[in-house]
Amino acid sequence: EAGVVQSPRYKIIEKKQPVAFWCNPISGHNTLYWYLQNLGQGPELLIRYENEEAVDDSQLPKDRFSAERLKGVDSTLKIQPAELGDSAVYLCASSLSQLAGGRPDTQYFGPGTRLTVL
Amino acid sequence: AQSVTQLGSHVSVSEGALVLLRCNYSSSVPPYLFWYVQYPNQGLQLLLKYTSAATLVKGINGFEAEFKKSETSFHLTKPSAHMSDAAEYFCAVSRGKLIFGQGTELSVKP
Repeated sequence: EAGVVQSPRYKIIEKKQPVAFWCNPISGHNTLYWYLQNLGQGPELLIRYENEEAVDDSQLPKDRFSAERLKGVDSTLKIQPAELGDSAVYLCASSLSQLAGGRPDTQYFGPGTRLTVL
Repeated sequence: AQSVTQLGSHVSVSEGALVLLRCNYSSSVPPYLFWYVQYPNQGLQLLLKYTSAATLVKGINGFEAEFKKSETSFHLTKPSAHMSDAAEYFCAVSRGKLIFGQGTELSVKP
């Protein structure tokens, strides 16, 4: 079974340019997550989707970041315009479901996209 | 608010020695706890998880962790380190969303 797929794996852009990351979750997984991982730190949640609905985007900087999950499958995370401080690894993860108050399902992570902003 | 603290950003052991990676959590309600491993240029892989069943949890690759409520700890151990265990290890707590610690880099010397 294929795991979580992300592309591109690496991206180098100049500041103020736009950039987009793509994620294909494991088939059948309703919940999709985008995380930001700065160098030497643990991942931090940016946004969580249940099917096509964003149920937790409280940590997403909405002035420059946007995300979508059309049809409740693939997802795209966009930054426009990118800043130097956005250089990091962007991780996508998926799980079967994340029921409120229930046991959390295991999250499966993709390999990430390493963004470098010059 | 929930949080996790991993004591020691770098741990170095000799091959065959005991591995002990420390994690303490802060949670106002019984937590769900996880250990993930991250190899260079890869995503995170689940090692094991505690979901309020047995307090001693066995995971993959010979790792295990014990939930100790009185100490608010969930330390990760492995009796005998292998070179392939060298990686970054993250402890995480979940009550709706995963909150990760800052990670511990494990080095294994031959």
